[in-house]
Amino acid sequence: GAGVSQTPSNKVTEKGKYVELRCDPISGHTALYWYRQSLGQGPEFLIYFQGTGAADDSGLPNDRFFAVRPEGSVSTLKIQRTERGDSAVYLCASSPGGPGELFFGEGSRLTVL
Amino acid sequence: DAKTTQPTSMDCAEGRAANLPCNHSTISGNEYVYWYRQIHSQGPQYIIHGLKNNETNEMASLIITEDRKSSTLILPHATLRDTAVYYCIVRPFSGNTPLVFGKGTRLSVIA
Repeated sequence: GAGVSQTPSNKVTEKGKYVELRCDPISGHTALYWYRQSLGQGPEFLIYFQGTGAADDSGLPNDRFFAVRPEGSVSTLKIQRTERGDSAVYLCASSPGGPGELFFGEGSRLTVL
Repeated sequence: DAKTTQPTSMDCAEGRAANLPCNHSTISGNEYVYWYRQIHSQGPQYIIHGLKNNETNEMASLIITEDRKSSTLILPHATLRDTAVYYCIVRPFSGNTPLVFGKGTRLSVIA
């Protein structure tokens, strides 16, 4: 697959549980972005990585949210003690860097019951 | 916060040109104008971007006013598959600054 891959595509969990969402970027893309999108809203920026390091995590809503990209490729978004308000589609995008386009995955839909 | 203003929704007849406006009156000299669209249940898809000259690709044309305070995305022959939410975004051309999305324009192409 040449595109950005996100797993799982759907995740249903209970309030208080821990969740991990995975993103496989396009091979060779150095920049990786996480967004979340609630119904009827545009995507909201969470965090972006340049290589292995988080270059900007200003969009993470609180310390329950954390993301890693240990080898500069795959990234995992981790959400602790999930709340019903965390229900959304979580989008990942990658880019070769610079002013070029971002390539988005299809998203992971998280539902917290 | 998004630095752009777009109409909430628009309709367009199939086969006609769809002209989607965007206001970005506070755009800085180092910022590009980007357009993305999001078809239902999919991730956003890049359409086109430009700095100050008009741009055209296989998907659309981008017309930027001379003062750069507004732009128009043109889909020359809209089809039903062009029904989507269209986002106009301004973004610095240096580095990897994240895209900041607003609510976009919901375009409905009608048969």
